[in-house]
Amino acid sequence: LAKTTQPISMDSYEGQEVNITCSHNNIATNDYITWYQQFPSQGPRFIIQGYKTKVTNEVASLFIPADRKSSTLSLPRVSLSDTAVYYCLSSGGYQKVTFGIGTKLQVIP
Amino acid sequence: KAGVTQTPRYLIKTRGQQVTLSCSPISGHRSVSWYQQTPGQGLQFLFEYFSETQRNKGNFPGRFSGRQFSNSRSEMNVSTLELGDSALYLCASSLAGPNMNTPNNEQFFGPGTRLTVL
Repeated sequence: LAKTTQPISMDSYEGQEVNITCSHNNIATNDYITWYQQFPSQGPRFIIQGYKTKVTNEVASLFIPADRKSSTLSLPRVSLSDTAVYYCLSSGGYQKVTFGIGTKLQVIP
Repeated sequence: KAGVTQTPRYLIKTRGQQVTLSCSPISGHRSVSWYQQTPGQGLQFLFEYFSETQRNKGNFPGRFSGRQFSNSRSEMNVSTLELGDSALYLCASSLAGPNMNTPNNEQFFGPGTRLTVL
């Protein structure tokens, strides 16, 4: 079963850039890497997805090296409202989806 | 376009009882997945339904079951409730299913049902 590994928690001050790295050693050739964000008492919501190199949207950037065994979610100039749990998702093919525990980001004023 | 809705939002049950949770997906989405979320275990996959058929199942006991109707609405049932079943139950809909980690197939989650077993 494909597995992703992320840090359990991270702290950051407001205004700083935050980078969360996820390892997915068993990623399948055709799989994309997707990140979700979850606020307390809400369901996760999609924030960004990529296959390789770099993807950027209005919320975040996603960096994926050539071997695709890891990815880094980058949140520019975080604010208190970015305090949430961030999940890296890579299903590794036709297998059961696992979100894991995610990375709990705490933004400090 | 309306989002994923789940009912009820909160439930309190006692051990041994059974419970049925409901999920209405986004219009046009044929895949509905269910997840259990607890503080210690994170977000765990229960099962997925696509066109009224269970396509994928997580590692949960048979007390957890579900079904999907022709309009893609889905229900999840938990029988003989245990204290450890207390959790937030989330439903997510997508076009092709959660195991298809491909572009434009993101999962849209509902607000969840908070189940407390006493």
